[in-house]
Amino acid sequence: QTVVTQEPSFSVSPGGTVTLTCGLSSGSVSTSYYPSWYQQTPGQAPRTLIYSTNTRSSGVPDRFSGSILGNKAALTITGAQADDESDYYCVLYMGSGKWVFGGGTKLTVL
Amino acid sequence: QLQLQESGPGLVKPSETLSLTCTVSGGSISSNNYYWGWIRQPPGKGLDWIGSVYYSGSTYYNPSLKSRVTISVDTSKNQFSLKLSSVTAADTAVYYCARHLTQGGYCSDTNCYIDYWGQGTLVTVSS
Repeated sequence: QTVVTQEPSFSVSPGGTVTLTCGLSSGSVSTSYYPSWYQQTPGQAPRTLIYSTNTRSSGVPDRFSGSILGNKAALTITGAQADDESDYYCVLYMGSGKWVFGGGTKLTVL
Repeated sequence: QLQLQESGPGLVKPSETLSLTCTVSGGSISSNNYYWGWIRQPPGKGLDWIGSVYYSGSTYYNPSLKSRVTISVDTSKNQFSLKLSSVTAADTAVYYCARHLTQGGYCSDTNCYIDYWGQGTLVTVSS
């Protein structure tokens, strides 16, 4: 079964830049997987940040950006703020009506 | 504004069947642009995609749960449902319903992601 990999945790200083990645246990992530990114704070439902690799969802600040870096999808936060401290999940479309979540990255801003 | 609301028992006994319903308001479940799905999150853990249903009734499941999962749609009630059989404590989780946006049932450059989520409902498996 396909496993989508993410860093379990990451730390960034306020105002700093951080790049979270989303890979595959076997193979490379490309735009054909339509990678999307979701932000979740404790006790809340996830919020859509990025879809189709690099399109920001409505209302998402432009400090969030998506891309393909090498063989992985990436979420970059430029100028991190305290309220960016959250869990971040990538999702890949595997075809045939199926999606797969990555394990999530817990981002700390300190 | 589209809203999704999960409903169902918050406590299920081991070996029984977990049943949840998601009611969609503010939009039609019958559009060919959406899959309607279920996602769960065990306490303190990550999100796990369970499966989805198309308005036509076609279903798609996570292979790891496929033998125990049934997702169905009721277009007359604008609802879709999840049934998970033979539950154990490992099935204790917050269950979310969600809308997956596509273009006519196919992924496109702009339409292939989860765009709306329910608030989630905690289901505990315990005797």
